[in-house]
Parts: sequence; C-alpha cells; structure tokens
Amino acid sequence: GDSVTQMEGPVTLSEEAFLTINCTYTATGYPSLFWYVQYPGEGLQLLLKATKADDKGSNKGFEATYRKETTSFHLEKGSVQVSDSAVYFCALSPNSGGSNYKLTFGKGTLLTVNP
Amino acid sequence: GAGVSQSPSNKVTEKGKDVELRCDPISGHTALYWYRQRLGQGLEFLIYFQGNSAPDKSGLPSDRFSAERTGESVSTLTIQRTQQEDSAVYLCASSPHPRARPDEQFFGPGTRLTVL
Repeated sequence: GDSVTQMEGPVTLSEEAFLTINCTYTATGYPSLFWYVQYPGEGLQLLLKATKADDKGSNKGFEATYRKETTSFHLEKGSVQVSDSAVYFCALSPNSGGSNYKLTFGKGTLLTVNP
Repeated sequence: GAGVSQSPSNKVTEKGKDVELRCDPISGHTALYWYRQRLGQGLEFLIYFQGNSAPDKSGLPSDRFSAERTGESVSTLTIQRTQQEDSAVYLCASSPHPRARPDEQFFGPGTRLTVL
C-alpha cells in the first residue's frame, strides 16, 4: 500500500537558519503530494501541494518540488522564523483508482525555531 | 455563505458510553467525508458519502463506528461503547464534486472527543 516516510524530529533551529525536512513516498502511479502544518493548539492546515511530477508547491516562503525519480517531496525554507515552530506533515493522495479523497500521512516532524 | 459546521465542538465522555457527532455540510455539496486526527498524528480517512450512500467505509476502524447521512445533507458519526483510543479530533469535510482531493474539500472545525 501507499506510505510516506518523513524525517524524524524534533528539529531545532535558530532564527534565519535554512530548513529542510525530508519526505519520500511509496505509491502506485503518480500521487498528489502535500505538506500540512499544525501550529500549537490549532487545526491542521494545508501548506502547499504538487499534483504532478516536477511541480513546485510554494507558500509562506516554503517550497517543495515533486521529484518522481527519487519519489521525494522535501520541504525547504531559506530563513525560518520563530513563528514557523509547528509540526509538519508530508502526505499523499492517489491520483488513480477513484480514491483521491484519501490521504496517507507521514508521522510528522516537530520544528522548534529559537530566537 | 456558511461553511461546514460540526457539533459539539468538544465532547468528554466516559469509557463505554455511546457518542454522536454531527456534521452540517455546505448546502448543495453532494460529497461528505469523515476523518479523524489522533494526538500527534496525521489525518485518517474514515468514510465517504456520495449523496446519502457510503461507497467507501473502508476507514472505519471497527464495528463500533457507524455513520449515516440523510437528505443529502447532515451526517452523524456514531461511536458505540467508546474506548480511550477513540479520543481524537473528528473532522468532517464536504465538496461539490464527488471523490474530491483533500485540498479541494472544505473542512469543518472538528469535534474534539475525549474518552476518560
């Protein structure tokens, strides 16, 4: 079945540091890929997405590129802020078989950014 | 216009009791989805409704869980004989199109269920 493996945390960075959170996936066909973020005490929010190979999703300074060759969707940000402290989830949904409403999530990576 | 609403927003219950969670989708949305998020984890799909029927119930974790939808509108998720591992935030979503991707769904605020 489909699966998502993401870098285990916790990750602790200083403000303005470069962030990478690795994510790789296993799926049949070519799924849609997502990064979700959950800030402390809040609900899950969609951060960015990519629906086909080589697409780059971006939002709030975060980027991730859908790499079919390496089955990866790594999240990056050039300069993190304290307000980026949150749990980040990588996820996929299938693009075939009529089940694209289903999400498979990674286990989440806790990011803490210190001033 | 109104978004997806869920009630109650919080529910605390004792182990072994039954609970009902309600979802009111956006008017006219034919598709409705239930998910849950347990502490520290991502979303788990539970069930998908198209109209009043549920073509995909594959995510329901046990026969203690059931859901229905009436009038192609409101849906109720029922958990019988609740267990502590049922504690989670239960999220409902709706979409105007069938089998929409999660980023194309409109999510409610969730019901936080705590089983003591």
